[in-house]
Amino acid sequence: DAKTTQPPSMDCAEGRAANLPCNHSTISGNEYVYWYRQIHSQGPQYIIHGLKNNETNEMASLIITEDRKSSTLILPHATLRDTAVYYCIVREADTGRRALTFGSGTRLQVQP
Amino acid sequence: DTEVTQTPKHLVMGMTNKKSLKCEQHMGHRAMYWYKQKAKKPPELMFVYSYEKLSINESVPSRFSPECPNSSLLNLHLHALQPEDSALYLCASQNPRGNTGELFFGEGSRLTVL
Repeated sequence: DAKTTQPPSMDCAEGRAANLPCNHSTISGNEYVYWYRQIHSQGPQYIIHGLKNNETNEMASLIITEDRKSSTLILPHATLRDTAVYYCIVREADTGRRALTFGSGTRLQVQP
Repeated sequence: DTEVTQTPKHLVMGMTNKKSLKCEQHMGHRAMYWYKQKAKKPPELMFVYSYEKLSINESVPSRFSPECPNSSLLNLHLHALQPEDSALYLCASQNPRGNTGELFFGEGSRLTVL
């Protein structure tokens, strides 16, 4: 699976949009971009994933550049409960034979 | 039911003890995973079971012994552990036929080895 690069930490004001970047310059054509987050002492939680197109769900939006070498996770109105470590992962989607490989992630601190 | 349930939530054991961690899901997922997470580090893959057969073992020491007795249940048997094995052990499941590749994680079992 392709490796990802994320900033180790970010701050965001409550109510503002949190934009978390991820570089994945070695991504291959059949690899998806996944985002998970892990709130302190809990298991990781799936947020969103995408292949080429931008995606949006009730939790977040995912913006993938046209060359697919980077992406941004957007939390439109961050709350204190969004304080967590956010992991950007690239991998093939279609199989249980390969597992998620977590990088170091970005520790997002939402400030009141 | 979209939950992965792990028991116990906390476990303290001595280095000579034998204990087990249990993971259960009723989503019909046929891929199940064990991850180990040390403090302030990302989760690290230990084992993957696909259709109840071990498909990945990430060179985990034999003092950790996984077992998948049926499609809903995953165990991790622990024996002669070391203090450095103290960590959060996470279980996850996935529908290997699904096209999202989403993993569902449990809350973890926090293990302390004395």
